[in-house]
Amino acid sequence: DQQVKQNSPSLSVQEGRISILNCDYTNSMFDYFLWYKKYPAEGPTFLISISSIKDKNEDGRFTVFLNKSAKHLSLHIVPSQPGDSAVYFCAASPESGGSYIPTFGRGTSLIVHP
Amino acid sequence: KAGVTQTPRYLIKTRGQQVTLSCSPISGHRSVSWYQQTPGQGLQFLFEYFSETQRNKGNFPGRFSGRQFSNSRSEMNVSTLELGDSALYLCASSLVPGAGTEAFFGQGTRLTVV
Repeated sequence: DQQVKQNSPSLSVQEGRISILNCDYTNSMFDYFLWYKKYPAEGPTFLISISSIKDKNEDGRFTVFLNKSAKHLSLHIVPSQPGDSAVYFCAASPESGGSYIPTFGRGTSLIVHP
Repeated sequence: KAGVTQTPRYLIKTRGQQVTLSCSPISGHRSVSWYQQTPGQGLQFLFEYFSETQRNKGNFPGRFSGRQFSNSRSEMNVSTLELGDSALYLCASSLVPGAGTEAFFGQGTRLTVV
C-alpha cells in the first residue's frame, strides 16, 4: 500500500505557465515533506521542503503548499521553463519514533514545452 | 566540492551471483542511505548508516546488506541475485541523519541481472 502517491505520471505545460505537481499521503505521522527533481542519468536533487507546522514554503520560482487536513501537498513552479523538464518526486518522513526515513512517491514526469 | 560518487555506474550480473556497490559521500557527510529504484516504482529505502552503524533498514530480504567504513564510505552487497534485483541503486549522503535533512544523491549504479 503506497503511503505517498503521485497520481499523475506525467504533466505537460507550456513555457511561462504554471506547473502544479500534486502529492497525497496517508500516514498522519509524516512531519516533513520534500520534493526532489531528477534528470535522466542523474541522481535526484533536492528542491524544496516543508515542515508540517507550515502550510507554505517558497523558494524562488518554487512554492510548496501543504494541506494537512486533506493530506495533500503540491509543488507550484512559476513560471515554468524548459529546463524544469524532469521527473519530480514527492517524499514524506516522520520525525518521531526514531525513524525519519523518507517514503517516496513514484514520481511525475514534467515536460515544459518552449 | 565533489558530489556523491557511486561505482560502478553500470553492472551486468547473472542470477545467483553476488554484487558489491560502492558509495563515496560528500566530504564531511557522515550519513549514507541506499535506495532501490525500479521502473514504475518510486525510490524504495534500503538502509541507512551513520558513524559506521546501521540505523534504519527498509523492507528488503536479508540478501541485501551494507556497511559503512570509518571514512564514511559505504558499500552495499546483494547476494544470490534474482532477476527482480535489476534496478537503479542510488546512494545519498547528508551531514547528519534526520527528518527533513537534505540528502545529496549520486548518479546511481544501474544493475542488470540476466
